[in-house]
Amino acid sequence: DAGVTQSPTHLIKTRGQQVTLRCSPKSGHDTVSWYQQALGQGPQFIFQYYEEEERQRGNFPDRFSGHQFPNYSSELNVNALLLGDSALYLCASSLGGGRSSGNTIYFGEGSWLTVV
Amino acid sequence: GESVGLHLPTLSVQEGDNSIINCAYSNSASDYFIWYKQESGKGPQFIIDIRSNMDKRQGQRVTVLLNKTVKHLSLQIAATQPGDSAVYFCAENAGNMLTFGGGTRLMVKP
Repeated sequence: DAGVTQSPTHLIKTRGQQVTLRCSPKSGHDTVSWYQQALGQGPQFIFQYYEEEERQRGNFPDRFSGHQFPNYSSELNVNALLLGDSALYLCASSLGGGRSSGNTIYFGEGSWLTVV
Repeated sequence: GESVGLHLPTLSVQEGDNSIINCAYSNSASDYFIWYKQESGKGPQFIIDIRSNMDKRQGQRVTVLLNKTVKHLSLQIAATQPGDSAVYFCAENAGNMLTFGGGTRLMVKP
């Protein structure tokens, strides 16, 4: 049973560029959430995708956008990169969208983004 | 706004001793809490969860206690091992959205 998989694991981008990160949820899960984790901090919720729509969103600018595909996989896009966007981006997999608070949420290993 | 936070940023324990990591939450409506372990360079790993209708839940070498009166959670690790060294987060789950605290680093001394 495959867990949550993310790609790429590491990448370096220049300020102003755009980046796309990818995630495949755990088998059987239909909900994907993205989190940003700065060094030494706890993860911060970016947004959640369920049934191919953004369902919940945290306090992040419109430069952060996403997509969910029919196979439940998801992409996170960040435009006009800033130095402050350097962080570990985590994908979380769960079931049932925002209707349920009782499901175990599993994380991938993350994508390390460095903006120079 | 509402938040989940931790009391101690770093905890150092002797191998074989028990560890206790604490967490305070501020949203009295919270009803589902999760503890995660995060090793260096890796994603958070689920350890144990607890719902608000419970005061205690036990797993393998871990116990979570919930005190709703004072809005406090704790994670107890029995016979702490070097492999337990990591950062531990408590998180509140509302609608499959997690709110994390800042984390406690557990260091196990041989």
